[in-house]
Amino acid sequence: GESVGLHLPTLSVQEGDNSIINCAYSNSASDYFIWYKQESGKGPQFIIDIRSNMDKRQGQRVTVLLNKTVKHLSLQIAATQPGDSAVYFCAENKGDKIIFGKGTRLHILP
Amino acid sequence: DSGVTQTPKHLITATGQRVTLRCSPRSGDLSVYWYQQSLDQGLQFLIQYYNGEERAKGNILERFSAQQFPDLHSELNLSSLELGDSALYFCASNRQGAYEQYFGPGTRLTVT
Repeated sequence: GESVGLHLPTLSVQEGDNSIINCAYSNSASDYFIWYKQESGKGPQFIIDIRSNMDKRQGQRVTVLLNKTVKHLSLQIAATQPGDSAVYFCAENKGDKIIFGKGTRLHILP
Repeated sequence: DSGVTQTPKHLITATGQRVTLRCSPRSGDLSVYWYQQSLDQGLQFLIQYYNGEERAKGNILERFSAQQFPDLHSELNLSSLELGDSALYFCASNRQGAYEQYFGPGTRLTVT
């Protein structure tokens, strides 16, 4: 079946280090992927997206990498800050639907 | 602030009851999406409306229904509530042709 899932439920990173959050997807026909950030008590917030014809896309302190061969997506956060503490979801856009993975909680260690 | 509003913020009700959740999309957005978020299921897409018409359906139970009104606000109706319906319900909106969705703050529903 179709699924978008994350490898780890929790990731702890030292403040200032880089964070890498991983995601695997199963539908090779997927053509668009999104990362969302959800802080406690808030709705998901768009971070960055990538189309399947790209391998890499960079934003402000974030980079998304797409490996279509192994159907793997990752979000890299540079110089992780306390404000990055949240749950991160990868999501797959299929037409008008977005299918979310279960999320990875990012803990920032002081 | 995403520009999407949802009311109420919290709702506590009993099993068997019916509730209505309300969402106002961002100004100019024609599409409204509803999601359910529970601890063990992550974010589940329920249904999408575009300019008043149902556009896509996800894992929405028959006990649940939604509609989008001429002023583009949307309501999600949940009936014959069960304990398992306790969750966060999010509404999102986006512009025509855009994939990026903007989420509201959510309604936390507790069924006792």
